[in-house]
Amino acid sequence: QKEVEQNSGPLSVPEGAIASLNCTYSDRGSQSFFWYRQYSGKSPELIMFIYSNGDKEDGRFTAQLNKASQYVSLLIRDSQPSDSATYLCAVNPAPGNTGKLIFGQGTTLQVKP
Amino acid sequence: DTEVTQTPKHLVMGMTNKKSLKCEQHMGHRAMYWYKQKAKKPPELMFVYSYEKLSINESVPSRFSPECPNSSLLNLHLHALQPEDSALYLCASSQDPMNTEAFFGQGTRLTVV
Repeated sequence: QKEVEQNSGPLSVPEGAIASLNCTYSDRGSQSFFWYRQYSGKSPELIMFIYSNGDKEDGRFTAQLNKASQYVSLLIRDSQPSDSATYLCAVNPAPGNTGKLIFGQGTTLQVKP
Repeated sequence: DTEVTQTPKHLVMGMTNKKSLKCEQHMGHRAMYWYKQKAKKPPELMFVYSYEKLSINESVPSRFSPECPNSSLLNLHLHALQPEDSALYLCASSQDPMNTEAFFGQGTRLTVV
């Protein structure tokens, strides 16, 4: 069974701090990695994707991928109360041409004013 | 425009009813997906349509019947559901099965009574 693991949290950070969200995956052949944000009662919203080892930055968000360690993370700088949500890590497992995404359980982030 | 539209937003149905969920996208995406999400759980893949052909069925019970009439539309026909099928049903689309940057609709909240 191909798995994606996340700490369910809640992760609590003060406003303005850096929030660090982590995800590990079991399928070494995985090629595409995604972070979704889901507010309570709403649908998932794609906020970041990364395909290559290293860092990818978009505004206050940075995704980090380490394929050797099978680890992907999301950093949120200058966290705001509006960032309070569940963050879902999703992985496209090998062979990578099926469209399938496997989601982690999600990490609940609480940003306190 | 990254909009995926689902109707209805809410649906209550009896165990003997037949109903359909609808999903529409006009982004020219050629892969469309149905996911099921229970409370406080991640989305679980049900079906993948690739170029209007069913490519993945994740062993979903036959009381759920997907249909892809054309490249913009995806339906999920429901018949003889059980109360445990109550969940948020999410439609998503991506450019193609190789490019799994998937965008979700707002979901249909289904309650089976």
